[in-house]
Amino acid sequence: KNEVEQSPQNLTAQEGEFITINCSYSVGISALHWLQQHPGGGIVSLFMLSSGKKKHGRLIATINIQEKHSSLHITASHPRDSAVYICAVPLRQGGSEKLVFGKGTKLTVNP
Amino acid sequence: KAGVTQTPRYLIKTRGQQVTLSCSPISGHRSVSWYQQTPGQGLQFLFEYFSETQRNKGNFPGRFSGRQFSNSRSEMNVSTLELGDSALYLCASSGTGLKTKNIQYFGAGTRLSVL
Repeated sequence: KNEVEQSPQNLTAQEGEFITINCSYSVGISALHWLQQHPGGGIVSLFMLSSGKKKHGRLIATINIQEKHSSLHITASHPRDSAVYICAVPLRQGGSEKLVFGKGTKLTVNP
Repeated sequence: KAGVTQTPRYLIKTRGQQVTLSCSPISGHRSVSWYQQTPGQGLQFLFEYFSETQRNKGNFPGRFSGRQFSNSRSEMNVSTLELGDSALYLCASSGTGLKTKNIQYFGAGTRLSVL
């Protein structure tokens, strides 16, 4: 079983819809990361959160540490939100941490 | 401030060759991590360097190696290339400040094709 599971794998929405992407993890973590990857490969770090909720523009990330679950929401989705969204958790190894990634959710927002 | 720069952006090699990829972190960042991304396995951690020392290593064979220089620039090397090494290789840097310590800033990646 993967340590980080994302759902759904693929998501197609119409412009304006509310989007939810889920991430479940099976290891203890200090924080969880949400990343966005556009076609072409570049990755942008969206959020790093260890509790509660964070908001940035139309993006909202929540985390429930007890349930080992995080969600990324996009309100009023737009075609430019089309990208792969990846969650990642840091695993303590030796004296530092390494990121373990989910497989990603490919979001397509149609106009 | 310039972002993380990876060179080259694209690379084509043949089986058995070796390749060196370069990563220049954001100025002031001392930690550089390398990742491999393939359609089948997704993103996987390769290794992390901090102040010229390898601090952490993923589960990759010894053909994959790296180093970091005193100016924090990092290189990764893959020897005896195999077809399965075709992937997007990403590096990310992070700072040591309280607010930036755990945030990784990614480069655009080097897309390696092994023929």
